[in-house]
Amino acid sequence: AQSVTQLGSHVSVSEGALVLLRCNYSSSVPPYLFWYVQYPNQGLQLLLKYTTGATLVKGINGFEAEFKKSETSFHLTKPSAHMSDAAEYFCAVSDFPNAGKSTFGDGTTLTVKP
Amino acid sequence: NAGVTQTPKFQVLKTGQSMTLQCAQDMNHEYMSWYRQDPGMGLRLIHYSVGAGITDQGEVPNGYNVSRSTTEDFPLRLLSAAPSQTSVYFCAAVSSTEAFFGQGTRLTVV
Repeated sequence: AQSVTQLGSHVSVSEGALVLLRCNYSSSVPPYLFWYVQYPNQGLQLLLKYTTGATLVKGINGFEAEFKKSETSFHLTKPSAHMSDAAEYFCAVSDFPNAGKSTFGDGTTLTVKP
Repeated sequence: NAGVTQTPKFQVLKTGQSMTLQCAQDMNHEYMSWYRQDPGMGLRLIHYSVGAGITDQGEVPNGYNVSRSTTEDFPLRLLSAAPSQTSVYFCAAVSSTEAFFGQGTRLTVV
């Protein structure tokens, strides 16, 4: 069975500061990993994903994540937070590269202070 | 190009009532799925379909039925609504590389 743990249900940063959202996973097979963003009253939008190959993955809006197999982690980072980054972020793991049948974490709400 | 369209956006039901949540996609993706999202929790898979005529259960299927007669449509049926089914429901259409989500249906069962 797969599982995802997102450390910290709420993260607050100042505008311009580093954003770090933590995700650890458990999977019995080589995982496919995803980060999604959800703005209020919206559906989920894919930020980035790791399937195979390079372990440092770059996504949209300046976000990136690094797959670390030894640490079973896939933390999301952005060097400089912007007010528009305030949203809820979900990490997910799947047996499939297209995110079918994904298991999601509980989410992390990011607040950006001016 | 609408992507994934869910209707209605909001619904209030009485306990025991039935209803169907509609999901339609115009991207011709074979794989579609239904998730529910509860406060403080991530999305949990209810049912999914790998193509017309083929459906299967996800993590939390009890109380829900699905069918897939066409590639475009994947309705979710609640036969007898219960307060525990109060949630936000998301439909997704999945390509070979990505899942595309609708904007959700917010359902309240009183």
